[in-house]
Amino acid sequence: DAGITQSPRHKVTETGTPVTLRCHQTENHRYMYWYRQDPGHGLRLIHYSYGVKDTDKGEVSDGYSVSRSKTEDFLLTLESATSSQTSVYFCAISDDILDGYTFGSGTRLTVV
Amino acid sequence: AQTVTQSQPEMSVQEAETVTLSCTYDTSESNYYLFWYKQPPSRQMILVIRQEAYKQQNATENRFSVNFQKAAKSFSLKISDSQLGDTAMYFCVLGSGGSNYKLTFGKGTLLTVNP
Repeated sequence: DAGITQSPRHKVTETGTPVTLRCHQTENHRYMYWYRQDPGHGLRLIHYSYGVKDTDKGEVSDGYSVSRSKTEDFLLTLESATSSQTSVYFCAISDDILDGYTFGSGTRLTVV
Repeated sequence: AQTVTQSQPEMSVQEAETVTLSCTYDTSESNYYLFWYKQPPSRQMILVIRQEAYKQQNATENRFSVNFQKAAKSFSLKISDSQLGDTAMYFCVLGSGGSNYKLTFGKGTLLTVNP
């Protein structure tokens, strides 16, 4: 969707290195989310933001941190990547629960 | 805590036939919303249909319709006149307005439409 972009689209990194994924929106939506998708698990919430500098943990937040210094950007950081963090990461935005989410195209992260 | 259960990991259907995907959920919220999302091989997440819990009428979007049974906490998706482009992973999703709009996803049903 043109209103939300994720970067990079693919990344391979080594165990122990820091990694930052970026989510950028042009919709001025209040809420932003990071999910990870793994086979057999669906999508699981990592962290979310309900405003600038306002963030909270989701169900699988260990090993991840986030920051939101501007409405349009939501960063997900893996401080020290592990093989268990190999996954597809989705960013999503929302401004009205009735509309559900608008998703980014996802980032496939491989930790070797 | 909210939970969503999709008991059919995989399903298949012949082109032009009708198929129903099952979903059950649990929530303590009185004001909630249910969605079906589709994820084709392109990986993009696409909203298929939505249902507001306070509305008794089942939602319909072209070939897609739901059977919402509130008392049974069931929310099934029916796809009529299945097309090859309907081949995708389908996720049943639950959300409430009172939890910072967080959505809870089922594990998905992989639907294959065969020619």
